[in-house]
Amino acid sequence: EIVLTQSPDTLSLSPGERATLSCRASQSVSSSYLAWYQQKPGQAPRLLIYGASTRATGIPDRFSGSGSGTDFTLTIGRLEPEDFAVYYCQQYDTSTGTFGQGTKVEIK
Amino acid sequence: QVQLVQSGSELRKPGASVKISCKASGYTFTNSGMNWVRQAPGQGLEWMGWINTNTGNPTYAQGFTGRFVFSLDTSVNTAYLQISSLKAEDTAVYYCARRVLSVCDSWGQGTLVTVSS
Repeated sequence: EIVLTQSPDTLSLSPGERATLSCRASQSVSSSYLAWYQQKPGQAPRLLIYGASTRATGIPDRFSGSGSGTDFTLTIGRLEPEDFAVYYCQQYDTSTGTFGQGTKVEIK
Repeated sequence: QVQLVQSGSELRKPGASVKISCKASGYTFTNSGMNWVRQAPGQGLEWMGWINTNTGNPTYAQGFTGRFVFSLDTSVNTAYLQISSLKAEDTAVYYCARRVLSVCDSWGQGTLVTVSS
């Protein structure tokens, strides 16, 4: 089973700053079958990025994904107040779909 | 627009069973699979598995075999998750999520299952 490790656990930033979130896989995720989700308190998660770098419908272009193999990154270009949330990566390479443990982006 | 509406919160005693529903609208139900995801209180997301809505074939993740059953009623565009022999550690919010290109592209609002004596 592929294990995903996200870092850092918590990112403290101010609105307008750039956020860089990491997701590392225990083995290579082929064809970049890596997705990112955002979850706000009391809400269901929302798909942001799939295929490592393709934005889902309606997702602002300040969100971007990159990476391949075992190392993937979610970048939020300039943090808006509504971006403070928990972010999860998910691999869907194998017949499973494991999630990382999450990174909380909080207001500094 | 795609909508997944889940059944309401449930309170059960240990050893009981529960069946959660997820009613889909706004798309052709059998064209996309359905993922199930668990989130324990204050914890992260766990992928439980998915069901092929065309064939009814379920795939269960490690740790979700035996007591967990995915099923369908395609006549009413609804997916179900049944959990038997409930334990306190099954207390969680359970989400259904449409499976498109293997990702969870649209999510239900979640169903809280509380297991307590």
